[in-house]
Amino acid sequence: AQSVAQPEDQVNVAEGNPLTVKCTYSVSGNPYLFWYVQYPNRGLQFLLKYITGDNLVKGSYGFEAEFNKSQTSFHLKKPSALVSDSALYFCAVRDYDNDMRFGAGTRLTVKP
Amino acid sequence: EAGVTQFPSHSVIEKGQTVTLRCDPISGHDNLYWYRRVMGKEIKFLLHFVKESKQDESGMPNNRFLAERTGGTYSTLKVQPAELEDSGVYFCASSQDQRTSGTDTQYFGPGTRLTVL
Repeated sequence: AQSVAQPEDQVNVAEGNPLTVKCTYSVSGNPYLFWYVQYPNRGLQFLLKYITGDNLVKGSYGFEAEFNKSQTSFHLKKPSALVSDSALYFCAVRDYDNDMRFGAGTRLTVKP
Repeated sequence: EAGVTQFPSHSVIEKGQTVTLRCDPISGHDNLYWYRRVMGKEIKFLLHFVKESKQDESGMPNNRFLAERTGGTYSTLKVQPAELEDSGVYFCASSQDQRTSGTDTQYFGPGTRLTVL
């Protein structure tokens, strides 16, 4: 079965510093990988996805993610964090039936 | 374009009662999904509709949960009778048919927070 893991429950970053939210995956075949963000009292919002092609995927709000096949990782990154980036981030993989399998989520806190 | 909407936003019920959650997908989206996040844990898939048909209901926890999508538009998820462990946030998502639109990105609603006392 397809699955993803987010090894960090919490990530703290100072505003202006680069941020990384980690995700590793376990799939058979080619992975379809996603990042979603949940702001307080809001639903999940799509950030970006990797299907095929360039390993560096650019998404919304200045976020990007790098697909690394050898390390089975799909870490979310941003060069300069904003306080407004503070939210809950979910990595997900699309299963054979097009159903999404999510990680446990990582809470990102960006401090001024 | 209106997004996915869910009703109610919060529901507090007692163990043994019945609750019905509603999801209105984005207009024209054939695919509709239900997910649940139990406190502090990962978001888990419950089931997937394609139009009015259940494509995959492998994630439904037990027969106390009943999902319907009559007419292929909005969907309801009924929990009867509710148990304490059913508490959590229930998300709905919808997506287009990739074969016709070229994309299958899922768009999520705000969720319904269910508390069973």
